[in-house]
Order: sequence, then C-alpha cells, then structure tokens
Amino acid sequence: AQRVTQPEKLLSVFKGAPVELKCNYSYSGSPELFWYVQYSRQRLQLLLRHISRESIKGFTADLNKGETSFHLKKPFAQEEDSAMYYCALSGLRADKLIFGTGTRLQVFP
Amino acid sequence: DTGVSQNPRHKITKRGQNVTFRCDPISEHNRLYWYRQTLGQGPEFLTYFQNEAQLEKSRLLSDRFSAERPKGSFSTLEIQRTEQGDSAMYLCASSTITGTGGKNIQYFGAGTRLSVL
Repeated sequence: AQRVTQPEKLLSVFKGAPVELKCNYSYSGSPELFWYVQYSRQRLQLLLRHISRESIKGFTADLNKGETSFHLKKPFAQEEDSAMYYCALSGLRADKLIFGTGTRLQVFP
Repeated sequence: DTGVSQNPRHKITKRGQNVTFRCDPISEHNRLYWYRQTLGQGPEFLTYFQNEAQLEKSRLLSDRFSAERPKGSFSTLEIQRTEQGDSAMYLCASSTITGTGGKNIQYFGAGTRLSVL
C-alpha cells in the first residue's frame, strides 16, 4: 500500500535549536518525495523535493531508500519556520500526491 | 495573481443541496488535481485531469461527486445531495509535465471550505 507516515503531530523547539521532522513512506517502486509547507493563512506550497537535492530556507532532506525515510532537517530553527509541514510522495507517472498527516512546527523565541 | 484560483473561498450549504466549486489553474498547466482535506489530516487525492481527460478517480469520489474540465482550462467539482461528512477544505492544484529536468511540481490554490449544515 502507498502510504506516508509523519509520526509527530506537533514539534516544539526554541529558536536556534536543530529541527528534524520525520517522514517514512511505503511504496512499491521508486517514488518521488516532497516536503510541502503551509504558513499561517497561506496556501500549501512546495518546500523541497528529493530530486533537486537542494537546500531551501536552510532545510534539507535526504532520501534513505533502505529506511524508506525522507526526514526534513534544519540545523538552527527560526521563528518564521513555524508552520505546518507535510511530507508527500508521487509515483513515476508523476500523478497524484499522497500526503502524510502533517507535523506542526512551533519555534519559540 | 497568476497562481491557482479557487472560487468560492467559503460555501455554507444545507444537507441535501448541490454545490459546485471552480478552479482556474496556472495558465498553460496541463494537469489539474482535486484534493480534499479534513481537520487534522493531510490532503487526500480525489481526481486529476490531463488537459480535458479525467485520468484517475479516487475511491473517495463517490457517485455524488463529479468533476469536469471541459476545455482543458478551468475545472469544476460538483457535489450532489451534500452530506455533513462532505464538510472539508477542497483544494485544487495544477502542474505541467516537464522534460527530464523536473516533474510534477504541483501548485495549490487557497481552497474552498465547505460547511454542510
């Protein structure tokens, strides 16, 4: 079955602390993995995807096929990182996205 | 604003009524997706179009739901005989299938929030 699991509903850290948002997936094949972010009162937007292997706003995510994980990391959290983060996957046909339930990140000053 | 546009932003209806939502994708995007999101959940796929062809429908899309994209541009999602369980945020996204450099970057609209009383 195709599934994305985000085990934490809420992650609270202080400004400057490291952040890791966990994402595990189940997919028979080689999916494409994404992180989407939704800031307060804004629409869902792409943060990064594993194919591009880039760092966006200081965030990185490495696809670990052995552990079927795609954890999102940032070494030093900022208050403006507070948002809802969704991990998602799509198949090789580049069709629908399958989302996890999301993790709310709260960064305190 | 050249992003994905959804109308209306909010819709309140009584149980049993029909409702229709509209999505205008980013110009020249050939793919259009509908998702539904309920409280505490991530978006769940409903259906998607490539140009005017509806390529896939989720089992979530009961026979009370119908979606169209008649000219390959805007799309409508209609729910007939609404039920309280239909209350959710309905999201539209669009994308364009590119060459080998990248694919399936979906851009989302702000959503239509449906409340069925």
